[in-house]
Amino acid sequence: QVQLQESGPRLVKPSETLSLICTVSGGSISSYYWNWIRQPPGKGLEWIGYIHYTGTTNYNPSLKSRVTMSLDRSKNHFSLKLSSVTAADTAVYYCARDRSAAPGSANYWGQGALVTVSS
Amino acid sequence: EIVLTQSPGTLSLSPGERATLSCRASQSVIDVYLAWYQQKPGQAPRLLLYGASNRATGIPDRFSGSGSGTDFTLTISRLEPEDFAVYYCQQYTPSLTWTFGQGTKVEIK
Repeated sequence: QVQLQESGPRLVKPSETLSLICTVSGGSISSYYWNWIRQPPGKGLEWIGYIHYTGTTNYNPSLKSRVTMSLDRSKNHFSLKLSSVTAADTAVYYCARDRSAAPGSANYWGQGALVTVSS
Repeated sequence: EIVLTQSPGTLSLSPGERATLSCRASQSVIDVYLAWYQQKPGQAPRLLLYGASNRATGIPDRFSGSGSGTDFTLTISRLEPEDFAVYYCQQYTPSLTWTFGQGTKVEIK
């Protein structure tokens, strides 16, 4: 059974960079699309972007200038960096894997990591 | 940018009743790229349906989806106590990005 687990600092100061890692167990990162999605407290879901196992990325246009995703096959994990954060970036951050080799929807999700932006 | 609008915002129903949730797109959506998720408080979303009408693994057959073009529907034939949650539709867009609807909360009447 594929499992995903987010890790990283839960408190980030304004203007700094948010960094999260999603560690994958029960399956290899060397296939599929790997996504980051976030959810501000009490609000809906926002897709941040994906990284394909080949390294190809695609980001939400509204966040593109601040987002970087990468993956590390040796550690079977992928990562998210979001720069110049503000309080509006406070959210639960989820990593998720696409259901199939073709992109479009995710059936494996991490439990989520609440990241708070505050001084 | 294609916007997904879900209605109603909140649906108040009793267990055993039928729930009908709507997801309307601002432009035509390729149905193979339309999905529905269920989210309970404190939990990650769970994929219910993909390709507008295909149930994900382990999803009970009381959940069904239909629609094409700009109008899609999630139907729960008989609400079970565990079905009270928030439901999101999601599309994979021609520009290879995802968008979500704002969600419909199904609450106990």
